[in-house]
Amino acid sequence: QQQVKQSPQSLIVQKGGISIINCAYENTAFDYFPWYQQFPGKGPALLIAIRPDVSEKKEGRFTISFNKSAKQFSLHIMDSQPGDSATYFCAPVDNNDMRFGAGTRLTVKP
Amino acid sequence: ETGVTQSPTHLIKTRGQQVTLRCSSQSGHNTVSWYQQALGQGPQFIFQYYREEENGRGNFPPRFSGLQFPNYSSELNVNALELDDSALYLCASSTDRGFYEQYFGPGTRLTVT
Repeated sequence: QQQVKQSPQSLIVQKGGISIINCAYENTAFDYFPWYQQFPGKGPALLIAIRPDVSEKKEGRFTISFNKSAKQFSLHIMDSQPGDSATYFCAPVDNNDMRFGAGTRLTVKP
Repeated sequence: ETGVTQSPTHLIKTRGQQVTLRCSSQSGHNTVSWYQQALGQGPQFIFQYYREEENGRGNFPPRFSGLQFPNYSSELNVNALELDDSALYLCASSTDRGFYEQYFGPGTRLTVT
């Protein structure tokens, strides 16, 4: 079974710091690489996503970096805020499959 | 524009019973996918419906079944409930078949006792 490995499992960052979450995958057919944000008691919300034809995408404080040869992509949260405290999931996609990582619980301390 | 809605919010059932969960897709979306999310884990794909037809299924037994209606709302039915079925059930809608740009509902928390 194709694996998606997300790390770290949990992360504590001070307010204003940079949060970095990584995702490694095996399926080379994946062609869409999203990150989802989930707050307790809520469904996951699409945060940012990238296609494999670019190596980086930035939206506000959130950046995806994509390394096709290493089969890895990462989420960077700049100037992390307490409101960013949530669980983050990578969930790479191809035409017939979508695999969620196990999640990273981010806590941003004031 | 109305987002994805799910009902009920919470549900408690007894082992062996049957349950039906409901999902209304986002306006303009014709595809609905269902996921099971156990506590502390990522969502697991159950199945997807595109224009009222099943369009893929994950590794779940046949007692998990579904339906999509002409207005693209959907139901998830689970028969012969087991304790391990306790989870958050999520539906997600999108504008086309597949898994690109899905929008999730808030989920239904099912507890089986």
